[in-house]
Amino acid sequence: DAGVTQSPTHLIKTRGQQVTLRCSPKSGHDTVSWYQQALGQGPQFIFQYYEEEERQRGNFPDRFSGHQFPNYSSELNVNALLLGDSALYLCASSHLRTVSGYTFGSGTRLTVV
Amino acid sequence: AQTVTQSQPEMSVQEAETVTLSCTYDTSENNYYLFWYKQPPSRQMILVIRQEAYKQQNATENRFSVNFQKAAKSFSLKISDSQLGDTAMYFCAFFPQETGNTPLVFGKGTRLSVIA
Repeated sequence: DAGVTQSPTHLIKTRGQQVTLRCSPKSGHDTVSWYQQALGQGPQFIFQYYEEEERQRGNFPDRFSGHQFPNYSSELNVNALLLGDSALYLCASSHLRTVSGYTFGSGTRLTVV
Repeated sequence: AQTVTQSQPEMSVQEAETVTLSCTYDTSENNYYLFWYKQPPSRQMILVIRQEAYKQQNATENRFSVNFQKAAKSFSLKISDSQLGDTAMYFCAFFPQETGNTPLVFGKGTRLSVIA
């Protein structure tokens, strides 16, 4: 049973560019949450998608946007990249009706230069 | 808003010894879940143990156990018989009991090093 799959694993971008990160949830899960983890910090919630809609959002600017597809997979898009966007981006999937069933992927390490 | 505080940025323990990681949280909720996650260098967040707030009995998973003090809003993790593979970042996390689109709230983590 495949867990959460994220791609790519590593990415280097230049300031001002745009980036798209991808996440395939665990089989049976319908909800995808995205987290940003800066070096030496705990994960910070970006947003959560369910039924192809953004359901809740953390304290992140509009440069961060997302999408969920009918197969429950999700994308995280970041526009106008800043040096401070360098971080590990984690995707977590869950089932909306199942408490605490979060499964995390191994993340995408984004470096902005 | 809920907050989670881990006051020990780094800790070390000798192999086979016992270590306790601290976590406190702040919430006005009465029903919630608390978790400890392990993040090794592979980066994947792995669930170590969870505790339902309505249960008075402390959760135990093999060598891992918690000391849950609801009134004090404290949730510490005890690792017994520490092994080299326990070396990782450990995060305490909070989750309200109601299902839905409420995210996990994490602390800043404790880096644990197990020394041979």
